[in-house]
Amino acid sequence: EIVLTQSPDTLSLSPGERATLFCRASQTVGSGYLAWFQHKPGQAPRLLIYGTSSRATGIPDRFSGSGSGTDFTLTVSRLEPEDFAVYFCQQYGSSPNTFGQGTKLEIK
Amino acid sequence: QVQLQESGPGLVKPSETLSLTCTVSGDSITSYYWSWIRQPAGKRLEWIGRIHASGNNNYHPSLKSRVTMSVDTSRNQVSLMLRSVAAADTAMYYCARDQRVIVPAEVGMPYFYYYMDVWGKGTTVTVSS
Repeated sequence: EIVLTQSPDTLSLSPGERATLFCRASQTVGSGYLAWFQHKPGQAPRLLIYGTSSRATGIPDRFSGSGSGTDFTLTVSRLEPEDFAVYFCQQYGSSPNTFGQGTKLEIK
Repeated sequence: QVQLQESGPGLVKPSETLSLTCTVSGDSITSYYWSWIRQPAGKRLEWIGRIHASGNNNYHPSLKSRVTMSVDTSRNQVSLMLRSVAAADTAMYYCARDQRVIVPAEVGMPYFYYYMDVWGKGTTVTVSS
């Protein structure tokens, strides 16, 4: 199965700054079928990006995804206070679907 | 607006069967595949499997021998049963709706891929005597 490794484990930034999160796969993610989720304590995980770069319904355009092959990136162009959360990636190009270990985006 | 709510016993004894239900509101359960995912404390998420109201299912190879999923269309619910549980099955359990991507094949059946677009908040299950 494909192992996803996210970096960094924790990212400390201030509101207004740019956040760049990475997700590396142990093998090529078929057809770029990679998604990103935001997860806050006590809430349901929220789909942000699917298919590497397509924003889910209602997701602000400050969130963007890019990448190909084994290396993928989630960028938050200008952090808002509500963006501080855990982010995880997931590949669905091969079965079983697998997840990254998560990156915690915290307020500096 | 579709909402998912997981429910079930928070405590299960070792060797017994874990049974959880996901109640779907705001959408018909027959239109989608539905996944179960779990996350032990401090570990990454693990996909358990998915099911359609037709009965089509796909389970994680490592759990396949212990997992059964089912759909109750009259109640708009998806259920998960995990048999012979042990401490390693202690986790937060989530259900999610799957969006299907259909990719035509040059020959034969198309390929299907699924990503989870709506999740429930999860329910905690502890396996302990």
